[in-house]
Amino acid sequence: DVKVTQSSRYLVKRTGEKVFLECVQDMDHENMFWYRQDPGLGLRLIYFSYDVKMKEKGDIPEGYSVSREKKERFSLILESASTNQTSMYLCASSLGDRENSPLHFGNGTRLTVT
Amino acid sequence: GQQLNQSPQSMFIQEGEDVSMNCTSSSIFNTWLWYKQDPGEGPVLLIALYKAGELTSNGRLTAQFGITRKDSFLNISASIPSDVGIYFCAGQLGWYSGGGADGLTFGKGTHLIIQP
Repeated sequence: DVKVTQSSRYLVKRTGEKVFLECVQDMDHENMFWYRQDPGLGLRLIYFSYDVKMKEKGDIPEGYSVSREKKERFSLILESASTNQTSMYLCASSLGDRENSPLHFGNGTRLTVT
Repeated sequence: GQQLNQSPQSMFIQEGEDVSMNCTSSSIFNTWLWYKQDPGEGPVLLIALYKAGELTSNGRLTAQFGITRKDSFLNISASIPSDVGIYFCAGQLGWYSGGGADGLTFGKGTHLIIQP
């Protein structure tokens, strides 16, 4: 089974702090994704990566950056956390060599910015 | 961009009843996916559909890829308490069809509540 592990289930941070959300997958997947999930807005794509050191902006990249130094790890960085970044963050991965490889999600990190 | 309309938004049903939900799109997809999300957890893949007209089952779950490639439905038979959660559909265009890695569109979810 694919295992996507997010390092923290719950995080509470203060406004202005730099926040790192870590995600690791163990299935040698090429593609990795970061989404945020908010009531009424569904899942929105922040950033994705289809290879090491490659990154692409999703639908809502403002206020975020990412890092992919190793194939199995994809980090989401909030440079200066703000209260409107309070959300559930979901990491996902998929195979890169198949036309329609489904996404497999981690358990999520619920971030509260106070 | 592409949009998915998922309905109903929520369902209140009795244990043992059958459940039906669907997603429709104004654009075609090459893959339809159905996920379930329990409270406080990430979405878990239930069923993946890769061909128009395909009907696939996973235990009490059955999903179909619409012939027009613009819709899909998910049925749950004889619901049980652990079926509670939010069900998401997702349409995927695929890399070589121009969708790219971000070519995945999610519905807003159907919140299933089961009354014992």
